Amino acid sequence: LAKTTQPISMDSYEGQEVNITCSHNNIATNDYITWYQQFPSQGPRFIIQGYKTKVTNEVASLFIPADRKSSTLSLPRVSLSDTAVYYCLVEDTSGTYKYIFGTGTRLKVLA
Amino acid sequence: DAGVTQSPTHLIKTRGQQVTLRCSPISGHKSVSWYQQVLGQGPQFIFQYYEKEERGRGNFPDRFSARQFPNYSSELNVNALLLGDSALYLCASSVDRAYEQYFGPGTRLTVT
Repeated sequence: LAKTTQPISMDSYEGQEVNITCSHNNIATNDYITWYQQFPSQGPRFIIQGYKTKVTNEVASLFIPADRKSSTLSLPRVSLSDTAVYYCLVEDTSGTYKYIFGTGTRLKVLA
Repeated sequence: DAGVTQSPTHLIKTRGQQVTLRCSPISGHKSVSWYQQVLGQGPQFIFQYYEKEERGRGNFPDRFSARQFPNYSSELNVNALLLGDSALYLCASSVDRAYEQYFGPGTRLTVT
């Protein structure tokens, strides 16, 4: 059964790059890793998805090492509006199919 | 294009009652997943349905059930409500299982 762990909270200043790491053991070779952003009283919002090496889109990058035991979400030049909770989500295809959300990282961006 | 919609927005029920929550996916999405999010915690996976069949199940008791209709909308049913069932219930849709999920705003269930 896959398990995921994230830092509870992080602080950053506007304009800085923020890296949030999720540790996930026991995920299969082709299981996807997805990151979401969540504001209070809203549903999570998709940020980025990948299953190996590096993926980049217009808002973030996702780094996945060869052993796939962790992944890092990189947010370039954060702004105050990036203050939110960030979750990793992994598939667990061992046994009955499941999705496993990480414990969540509360990011606070300071002026 | 409309996003994922859920109804009702808020709901108050008494312990022991039954509740039905509804979800309409994004047009073209055939997969619907349900999650429970207790205040201060991350979402917990309950079910995934694809083409009207259950494709995934989390660690929830049999009091929780769901179904998906031919138009790909879905209902989540919870029987014999407990105080601990109070949570935000999220629905997410995707093109298929491995694709990114898009979440609705959720239904806030309070059990008294």
